[in-house]
Amino acid sequence: DARVTQTPRHKVTEMGQEVTMRCQPILGHNTVFWYRQTMMQGLELLAYFRNRAPLDDSGMPKDRFSAEMPDATLATLKIQPSEPRDSAVYFCASGEQGNQPQHFGDGTRLSIL
Amino acid sequence: AQTVTQSQPEMSVQEAETVTLSCTYDTSENNYYLFWYKQPPSRQMILVIRQEAYKQQNATENRFSVNFQKAAKSFSLKISDSQLGDTAMYFCAFMRGSGAGSYQLTFGKGTKLSVIP
Repeated sequence: DARVTQTPRHKVTEMGQEVTMRCQPILGHNTVFWYRQTMMQGLELLAYFRNRAPLDDSGMPKDRFSAEMPDATLATLKIQPSEPRDSAVYFCASGEQGNQPQHFGDGTRLSIL
Repeated sequence: AQTVTQSQPEMSVQEAETVTLSCTYDTSENNYYLFWYKQPPSRQMILVIRQEAYKQQNATENRFSVNFQKAAKSFSLKISDSQLGDTAMYFCAFMRGSGAGSYQLTFGKGTKLSVIP
């Protein structure tokens, strides 16, 4: 089965450091989403792309977060500088068309010390 | 904005029994989709079942079925013949079908289901 691939699976770093999370969507999927999961807030949408164009990043703190799709096989989510409150699991998901179910990667567990 | 409410933070069920997880949502839209996702301890998010709002027939997927009550804005998940592997967090999710904010998922807070041997 085709899968969404996320790297790294785990990341521990000190506050102030830059963090980059990567996602390879399923081949042929034209929508890509980034979600953040925390105990307090649950699952929240950070950003999403259709055909590599950013459509909505209103859920993302703009001063420190950025999301890009340099090509159809790679999406990135960067945090610079990182803060302890950014500690969470970050999921990437992709979909074949707008209203089709989203398929999730295994997530990146991020810990900022 | 859409909201999704799962009123049962935790539930348990005996193996082989049936359990129903509740979900309600609030929207003024007519074109939307509803989903249940399962998140086992491995952290994966796994699609369980999908329902289109325009379809009156309730979706089923093997042991999983939904009771979709559009007027009541209710979307419950029934798991029949519960198995130990069903132990997981279950998330109800809403997706607008058109317009601004469409195609993104809004999740409930989840229900932690434990299947007891």
